[in-house]
Amino acid sequence: AQSVTQPDIHITVSEGASLELRCNYSYGATPYLFWYVQSPGQGLQLLLKYFSGDTLVQGIKGFEAEFKRSQSSFNLRKPSVHWSDAAEYFCAVVLMNYGGSQGNLIFGKGTKLSVKP
Amino acid sequence: NAGVTQTPKFQVLKTGQSMTLQCAQDMNHEYMSWYRQDPGMGLRLIHYSVGAGITDQGEVPNGYNVSRSTTEDFPLRLLSAAPSQTSVYFCASSYSTPGFGNTIYFGEGSWLTVV
Repeated sequence: AQSVTQPDIHITVSEGASLELRCNYSYGATPYLFWYVQSPGQGLQLLLKYFSGDTLVQGIKGFEAEFKRSQSSFNLRKPSVHWSDAAEYFCAVVLMNYGGSQGNLIFGKGTKLSVKP
Repeated sequence: NAGVTQTPKFQVLKTGQSMTLQCAQDMNHEYMSWYRQDPGMGLRLIHYSVGAGITDQGEVPNGYNVSRSTTEDFPLRLLSAAPSQTSVYFCASSYSTPGFGNTIYFGEGSWLTVV
C-alpha cells in the first residue's frame, strides 16, 4: 500500500547540534514532496517542497531537504538547531494520477523534535 | 487577504449533537479539503472538493458530510458527534488539485472536543 513513513516518533537534540529527520515514501512514481512544521497549538507552516529539478532543496528557517530517488527518501536537515525549532515535523506527499487519492496531500505521522539546552 | 479562515476555533459538543465547521477562502481556489489531526496519526484526509458542486471522500470520511455550493466555502458537518471525533480539524485550499504542484494553504485549525 502507498505510504509515507517517518520512522522516528520523537527525537531529542542539543541546541547547536545538527539535525536530520527521516521520511520515506512508497509509491510507483516520484510524488511531489513537502515538509511542514507545527508548533504546539498552532497550524501548519510549509518549510520546503520538491517538485522536480535539483534534488537538494532549500527552505525557510535554515532547513534543507534532499530527495533521493534510489532510496525513496526526502530527509530534512539543519546544520545547527535552535531552541525555537522544537516542534512537530510532518513529511507529506502528493500522489499524482493514482486512484481515489489523486492529487491529494498525504501526511506522515510526524516526528516530534525536542531541543535541550 | 484573509487566506483560509476556519470557525469556530474551539468547540465542545455533547455526544449526539450536530455541528458544522466552517471554512472559507478568498483566493478563488478551486480545490479545498478537510483533515483531522490526532496524536501519533498525523493528518488524515476526510473529504475534498475540486470545485463547486464536486466533493469526494478521503481516507476517513465516516461520520462527516460536506458540500460545496460556492467556490469560497467548504463546510464540514458532523451529523451526530461521537467522542472518536474529538480532534483538531484543518481546512486547506489550493488553486487547483495539489497534484499539479500548486501551493496548499492551511487554516489555523479548529479544536473539537466531544464529551
